[in-house]
Amino acid sequence: DGGITQSPKYLFRKEGQNVTLSCEQNLNHDAMYWYRQDPGQGLRLIYYSQIVNDFQKGDIAEGYSVSREKKESFPLTVTSAQKNPTAFYLCASRPTQGFGYTFGSGTRLTVV
Amino acid sequence: GDSVTQMEGPVTLSEEAFLTINCTYTATGYPSLFWYVQYPGEGLQLLLKATKADDKGSNKGFEATYRKETTSFHLEKGSVQVSDSAVYFCALSDGSGANSKLTFGKGITLSVRP
Repeated sequence: DGGITQSPKYLFRKEGQNVTLSCEQNLNHDAMYWYRQDPGQGLRLIYYSQIVNDFQKGDIAEGYSVSREKKESFPLTVTSAQKNPTAFYLCASRPTQGFGYTFGSGTRLTVV
Repeated sequence: GDSVTQMEGPVTLSEEAFLTINCTYTATGYPSLFWYVQYPGEGLQLLLKATKADDKGSNKGFEATYRKETTSFHLEKGSVQVSDSAVYFCALSDGSGANSKLTFGKGITLSVRP
């Protein structure tokens, strides 16, 4: 079955370390997105990519970086510059046209 | 920029009660509107959508009508079940083309007790 896989489901890191969250899709979708979810804050857009080798900053890109070397993959790196990285991170994808967003099951990152 | 405002939560209801969750939006142009649901520990699932004014989205007994005059997209269900307990997000999309993206409200937690 087609879908989005985020791994790992839970991730623990020490403060000051960079960490990379994986997002892979086999839906042949062109666009991919990263959202951050905090209690009472809803989902906020970090980065998005409409096509391979191209991506744009969302509303809260500071302290994060991404790459899009393959259509299927859109990894997110949480750098040590991110002031408050503990959160639930959701990846999504959709085709170039239409509203068919598909979400992954998320990665919960805890920085101690 | 675009924004979505949801009523404050959480909401706790008894089984078979009537549900209304308010959602209003601010946007330029003519956005499409969505309700997503998130069950514990999972990602988001599309519940329903409406792409133009006066459209009604419906799914699993939930309904919402796109009201351009009041910039609202309130979610309703006539009789909730325990299995409806989840977090509900209202969202809008600024288009369906390559550069469009979703803007979410803060979400509201619904708990339904037996």
